[in-house]
Amino acid sequence: GQQVMQIPQYQHVQEGEDFTTYCNSSTTLSNIQWYKQRPGGHPVFLIQLVKSGEVKKQKRLTFQFGEAKKNSSLHITATQTTDVGTYFCAGRGADSWGKLQFGAGTQVVVTP
Amino acid sequence: GAVVSQHPSRVICKSGTSVKIECRSLDFQATTMFWYRQFPKKSLMLMATSNEGSKATYEQGVEKDKFLINHASLTLSTLTVTSAHPEDSSFYICSARAIPSGRFPPSTDTQYFGPGTRLTVL
Repeated sequence: GQQVMQIPQYQHVQEGEDFTTYCNSSTTLSNIQWYKQRPGGHPVFLIQLVKSGEVKKQKRLTFQFGEAKKNSSLHITATQTTDVGTYFCAGRGADSWGKLQFGAGTQVVVTP
Repeated sequence: GAVVSQHPSRVICKSGTSVKIECRSLDFQATTMFWYRQFPKKSLMLMATSNEGSKATYEQGVEKDKFLINHASLTLSTLTVTSAHPEDSSFYICSARAIPSGRFPPSTDTQYFGPGTRLTVL
């Protein structure tokens, strides 16, 4: 079955530094979504990527969908303490009724 | 964004009792709602997909008689944990997928999550 793997599981970042988290699917995806979950909170939708090679930016966050639609990345520049949380990618299978499969998440800790 | 509520936010119950958790889409309609379970510092595990007016679809390994799901309207789904045991203690989160409309274009595949319910079974 479809599997979504996310690395790293844990990211310790100095404030002001950049970092990237990666998401890989075992199967081709129709779309990939990214969510952020703050400590003690619930997942909040960040963005959805649909097209092969698509790149979207939200302020300091850059999201990319691979050409083969099997991988994605989230790059955060100039990390701030407000970026603390767990970032999940979630991929929906190419079958339009495919499940949204969540990755294990990258827990981000920011040191001032 | 769209708002999903969950009630209760936290519940403590005795072993053997049943607990009902409600998931409501407050400002949109959802034919499909999803129930997830999340263990500490772990990812979301899909338990079942709830479709309005029909039976829920359960993921492999999830007991449908243990976790009863009812999706009675376009804005409400309930999860009942029957005969709860300590190993059922977890964070249960629902999400809702909006019916396509002007506000939610068909290409939008967003799931809106509720705030979660922390269940502790003693």
